[in-house]
Amino acid sequence: LAKTTQPISMDSYEGQEVNITCSHNNIATNDYITWYQQFPSQGPRFIIQGYKTKVTNEVASLFIPADRKSSTLSLPRVSLSDTAVYYCLVAETGRRALTFGSGTRLQVQP
Amino acid sequence: EAGVVQSPRYKIIEKKQPVAFWCNPISGHNTLYWYRQNLGQGPELLIRYENEEAVDDSQLPKDRFSAERLKGVDSTLKIQPAELGDSAVYLCASSLDLGTNIQYFGAGTRLSVL
Repeated sequence: LAKTTQPISMDSYEGQEVNITCSHNNIATNDYITWYQQFPSQGPRFIIQGYKTKVTNEVASLFIPADRKSSTLSLPRVSLSDTAVYYCLVAETGRRALTFGSGTRLQVQP
Repeated sequence: EAGVVQSPRYKIIEKKQPVAFWCNPISGHNTLYWYRQNLGQGPELLIRYENEEAVDDSQLPKDRFSAERLKGVDSTLKIQPAELGDSAVYLCASSLDLGTNIQYFGAGTRLSVL
């Protein structure tokens, strides 16, 4: 199975904007890009979903270029509670498999 | 509204013993997923149900793993016999719509095989 690619880890400080990019070269034409957040000892939690261009909700923004082969999750003004693992999820062409990447471990420091 | 409920939260067994995990999805969610998550890795899909039909079980090790979703609501995942390498967190998720992939996860069952 082709995998999504994300940075393994990122560090930030409180109040900064954090951008996490996911590469997904084999995304299917009709599929969405979905990002999840996971804290220790919990299941992943839905953050945001998009198909193209830009989507914004109360916690994050999602930027998707025209070719849709990548996406960027933007977290404005992070706090300590944003320390977590972030996953992007897409379905793969021809299989509709659901593949979580290895995730990006975000560490926010004071 | 209650979320996805899984039980037990923790299970410790000896190798070669059987084990079962239970999941109650969010009411009205037709699609149910079982994932396995190893330490430091993302969740790996084991099986996906659309109502009571398993529509994707290609990643389920069928020699020892089985799952069922009777009446299209609750689901049970079983391992028999368990092996040391089965130690992981088993996550259940449900969604309204197979297409948009917005899934709601339970807290998971942490399995330790000794």
